[in-house]
Amino acid sequence: DQQVKQNSPSLSVQEGRISILNCDYTNSMFDYFLWYKKYPAEGPTFLISISSIKDKNEDGRFTVFLNKSAKHLSLHIVPSQPGDSAVYFCAASNTGNQFYFGTGTSLTVIP
Amino acid sequence: KAGVTQTPRYLIKTRGQQVTLSCSPISGHRSVSWYQQTPGQGLQFLFEYFSETQRNKGNFPGRFSGRQFSNSRSEMNVSTLELGDSALYLCASSPKQGGSTEAFFGQGTRLTVV
Repeated sequence: DQQVKQNSPSLSVQEGRISILNCDYTNSMFDYFLWYKKYPAEGPTFLISISSIKDKNEDGRFTVFLNKSAKHLSLHIVPSQPGDSAVYFCAASNTGNQFYFGTGTSLTVIP
Repeated sequence: KAGVTQTPRYLIKTRGQQVTLSCSPISGHRSVSWYQQTPGQGLQFLFEYFSETQRNKGNFPGRFSGRQFSNSRSEMNVSTLELGDSALYLCASSPKQGGSTEAFFGQGTRLTVV
């Protein structure tokens, strides 16, 4: 049972434009959400997180939005750069260190 | 500060054999979690150790086991390997157990079962 879903396996965006990656979850007990970026042959790298008491968290070009009523979160990257091309995973946890991951979205930023 | 170190990076084993993977967490981190990544399945949680005790376990058969040592280093063991066990095995460390904190991942061990 996939509790965290990323329904778009891939996304292509022009350099300089906005990239929006989406993630849905089913478990209302999740209280902490994260985004990871992964290059081939490397482990995931932490990008940004958000607690369930917030609806937005921003870090430079990266902003995560959380809509608890819709059980939906999204990652916005503005402006997108070719170096952002990677697989992005969203993850959720409920007061523990067991993270539930989505299946990932492969982002390609076209120069 | 050194990151999470996993050894070996690559491993080829035959069906029926067993394998042990190793993970050294970031210095000072006491929580170590293990994940399996296969194409199309994302990262699946295996188990988490904190202070040498297994705190959480995912939905994997008993062939998958692990342990944590007093220095927080962790090992994962898979017995009676099956072809479907071929995957990237990732280890993640966190500074504490529970609460809201990100996990830092190693580069993983790519296991191929033939």
